[in-house]
Amino acid sequence: AQSVTQLGSHVSVSEGALVLLRCNYSSSVPPYLFWYVQYPNQGLQLLLKYTTGATLVKGINGFEAEFKKSETSFHLTKPSAHMSDAAEYFCAVSGAEYGNKLVFGAGTILRVKS
Amino acid sequence: KAGVTQTPRYLIKTRGQQVTLSCSPISGHRSVSWYQQTPGQGLQFLFEYFSETQRNKGNFPGRFSGRQFSNSRSEMNVSTLELGDSALYLCASSLGPGVGSPLHFGNGTRLTVT
Repeated sequence: AQSVTQLGSHVSVSEGALVLLRCNYSSSVPPYLFWYVQYPNQGLQLLLKYTTGATLVKGINGFEAEFKKSETSFHLTKPSAHMSDAAEYFCAVSGAEYGNKLVFGAGTILRVKS
Repeated sequence: KAGVTQTPRYLIKTRGQQVTLSCSPISGHRSVSWYQQTPGQGLQFLFEYFSETQRNKGNFPGRFSGRQFSNSRSEMNVSTLELGDSALYLCASSLGPGVGSPLHFGNGTRLTVT
């Protein structure tokens, strides 16, 4: 079965530092790509999505992600981390090779140090 | 616009009982999906409904069932509860069933089975 992999279950950065969360998909056909964030005791909030078009996608809260077909990747970045960014981040993909449903990665917990 | 509403927020049940969870989608959204979230398995797809029809189903036993009403509200039912059914159950809605449509999540129902 096709899958989506998030490298690193925990990432720790200092406040003001670059945030980089990694996501790779396995399908031969590029899927639809999403990043979601989950704060404690809450549901998932959509950060950004890539469907077609420009490969650099800007989302909410200063996050952006770049789709690289050659690397089958969709890494999430933010130039300067803020304490409020501490949360769990999920990469998700959908498409025919994923059973036409949204398939999630295992998640990355982001810790921001002051 | 009101978000996805899930009730109740918390539930405690004993093994062997059955439970019904409710989800009201964003106004105008006609597709509803359900996910189970656990620390060990992450986010697992349960099923998707559109226009009162189940369009997709995940790999869960028949004890897990759902339905959608004409107003797009959805319920899921779990019968003969097992300890392993303890999880956060998330409902998500989207405008339509297309794989490129982003899902909007509720805050979930946390089910504890004792």
